[in-house]
Amino acid sequence: QQQVKQSPQSLIVQKGGISIINCAYENTAFDYFPWYQQFPGKGPALLIAIRPDVSEKKEGRFTISFNKSAKQFSLHIMDSQPGDSATYFCAAPRLNDYKLSFGAGTTVTVRA
Amino acid sequence: EAQVTQNPRYLITVTGKKLTVTCSQNMNHEYMSWYRQDPGLGLRQIYYSMNVEVTDKGDVPEGYKVSRKEKRNFPLILESPSPNQTSLYFCASSLIAQTLNTGELFFGEGSRLTVL
Repeated sequence: QQQVKQSPQSLIVQKGGISIINCAYENTAFDYFPWYQQFPGKGPALLIAIRPDVSEKKEGRFTISFNKSAKQFSLHIMDSQPGDSATYFCAAPRLNDYKLSFGAGTTVTVRA
Repeated sequence: EAQVTQNPRYLITVTGKKLTVTCSQNMNHEYMSWYRQDPGLGLRQIYYSMNVEVTDKGDVPEGYKVSRKEKRNFPLILESPSPNQTSLYFCASSLIAQTLNTGELFFGEGSRLTVL
């Protein structure tokens, strides 16, 4: 039972463009929302995360924006590069247990 | 180097032939977990272990067993594999369960299993 809805399933962007991935969550125990990046043949790795005491967090070309009232958060990849081609997962901590619910993933392809 | 190591990375087996996927971490983490990754379904948790004394089911535990006899190892056991267990499996660890709330989950490189 997936508690985090992620969209789109895939996207293609030209080099230098902006990639936007959206996630919506149900109830969550803790306000901490990570994004994981997975390259082909590798395991996911933490990319960036946000605590919703801020509405936006930026690390380099990656920005998370958070809308607590709407229970939504999104990842923006600015100036997308071919090396950003990967699958991205959002996640949210679940209520009442020590688990992360992951979104279904978004495969980003950046064309040179 | 801090890492989570899984073996084998690739395996093709037949229905009903018991197999074990090993997982070992060298970060002295208390929390370990197994996930399976399937297209369109993301990462789904199979089993997790808070520490060597506590292990519990995740969201999709049917057909799997785990064992946590020591802190560093957390093998995944398929007693009688079936084709619907064909998937990409990831082992992951975290310092303690509470650090999941900070997103500090470290993954292995995955084990691709095909059950014929």
